[in-house]
Amino acid sequence: QSALTQPASVSGSPGQSITISCTGTSSDVGGYNYVSWYQQHPGKAPKLMISEVSNRPSGVPDRFSGSKSGNTASLTISGLQAEDEADYYCASQRSTTSLDVFGTGTKVTVL
Amino acid sequence: QVQLQESGPGLVRPSGTLSLTCVVSGGSISSGPWWSWVRQPPGKGLEWIAEIHHTGTNKYKPSLNGRVTISVDTSKNQFSLELTSVTAADTAVYYCARDRGWKKYDAWGQGTLVTVSS
Repeated sequence: QSALTQPASVSGSPGQSITISCTGTSSDVGGYNYVSWYQQHPGKAPKLMISEVSNRPSGVPDRFSGSKSGNTASLTISGLQAEDEADYYCASQRSTTSLDVFGTGTKVTVL
Repeated sequence: QVQLQESGPGLVRPSGTLSLTCVVSGGSISSGPWWSWVRQPPGKGLEWIAEIHHTGTNKYKPSLNGRVTISVDTSKNQFSLELTSVTAADTAVYYCARDRGWKKYDAWGQGTLVTVSS
């Protein structure tokens, strides 16, 4: 398994907080402060939500936040809203090109 | 606000060559600094396949076994992808994207579905 590992699915009710993990190694997530997160709605292109572990691009709601501890990065969505239902992918700089850039992806369901 | 637009055939025959172009508008391709191709097979996750610096330096996904070539044409503000000896496993939506560095893809094309079938 060369891709960064994410849970297949995470769910929560509107208003709740959820966290998506992205687990790698010391050669990628743990070794660089260059983890980014992407949101993808069905049939749409991915959208950058977080870069450099915790930086939120202009226009991204502040309920999205990122963090990292050791070899695991996390994306937290606080105050979950219906429009947050989508697939989420992490990406990380990796020490070798032979490894996948993106994580396995997580489907977020708003109950 | 930079915009990217992919173009190319939607159907390619098995063993043929897949050719796609991404036109960059609203900004110079020299501002990348990196430009990438990412694909997504139906119902599956994102897969990075190639990237090129505006100066021409490129990198490829090793598992594609030399089938892939990426190029840049700064005069036309576009970059291109060629994938040879395609099989059904290469059927996917292909996206072009701008990498500001360190896997920060801040601009994406809308994606184009390429189907490999006879």
